[in-house]
Amino acid sequence: ETGVTQSPTHLIKTRGQQVTLRCSSQSGHNTVSWYQQALGQGPQFIFQYYREEENGRGNFPPRFSGLQFPNYSSELNVNALELDDSALYLCASSPETGAGYGYTFGSGTRLTVV
Amino acid sequence: DQQVKQNSPSLSVQEGRISILNCDYTNSMFDYFLWYKKYPAEGPTFLISISSIKDKNEDGRFTVFLNKSAKHLSLHIVPSQPGDSAVYFCAASANNYGQNFVFGPGTRLSVLP
Repeated sequence: ETGVTQSPTHLIKTRGQQVTLRCSSQSGHNTVSWYQQALGQGPQFIFQYYREEENGRGNFPPRFSGLQFPNYSSELNVNALELDDSALYLCASSPETGAGYGYTFGSGTRLTVV
Repeated sequence: DQQVKQNSPSLSVQEGRISILNCDYTNSMFDYFLWYKKYPAEGPTFLISISSIKDKNEDGRFTVFLNKSAKHLSLHIVPSQPGDSAVYFCAASANNYGQNFVFGPGTRLSVLP
C-alpha cells in the first residue's frame, strides 16, 4: 500500500508566474486536503476535495484553485505567484471525509517564489 | 490571531521519562482534536485524536487529555524514546467533517539518550 506522494519535491518560480502541484492519494482514499506551511508555523488549510468536488475552503484567495480526478489524485494551482506564497505545500488524504480518520500527509512540495 | 497555541517552541526530556506537550485553543466551537508528529523532510504523521465528549484517550505510550473548560489539551508520552524526537503539532476542528483543521505552530521535542 503506497502512501501519499507529491511532486515535485522542490520548485522555484518567479513572482507573477503560475504553478501546479500534484498529489497522488493513498490507495483507497477518496478525500484530499491541501495545506500551506510557512516556515516556523503550523500547516494552514487551503481546501479539501471529496469525490471530485470541493468540500470546504480555508481563507485563501481565488488564485489558489484545485482539482480532483476520478482516481482521486489532485492538483493545486496557484496563479499570479507572490513572494509570500513561498512555503511547504502539503497534501493529505483520507478514506472518507471526517476528522476521525486521521489524514495521511505526503512529504510536501517546497515552493520558493523569487 | 492564533486559534491554536503551542506556547513551548521546544522541549527536552531524558529517555525513559515522561514528555508532556501542551496546547491551548481559543475557539469554543472546536470539538475534535488531533496530534501529529513530523520528522524533517517528511509529512506530518497522525498520532492520536480526541473528541470533546471524552477527556482522555490512550494509545500505547501516547495519551491525550482534554480540559474543555480550560480550552487546554496535552499529549503525554511515557516512556519517552529517542525516536520520539520530532516536531509535534496540535490541530483542532469545529466539526467532524475534517474540512478544516487549525494547526498550532508546533513544539520540537528532543529526547536525550
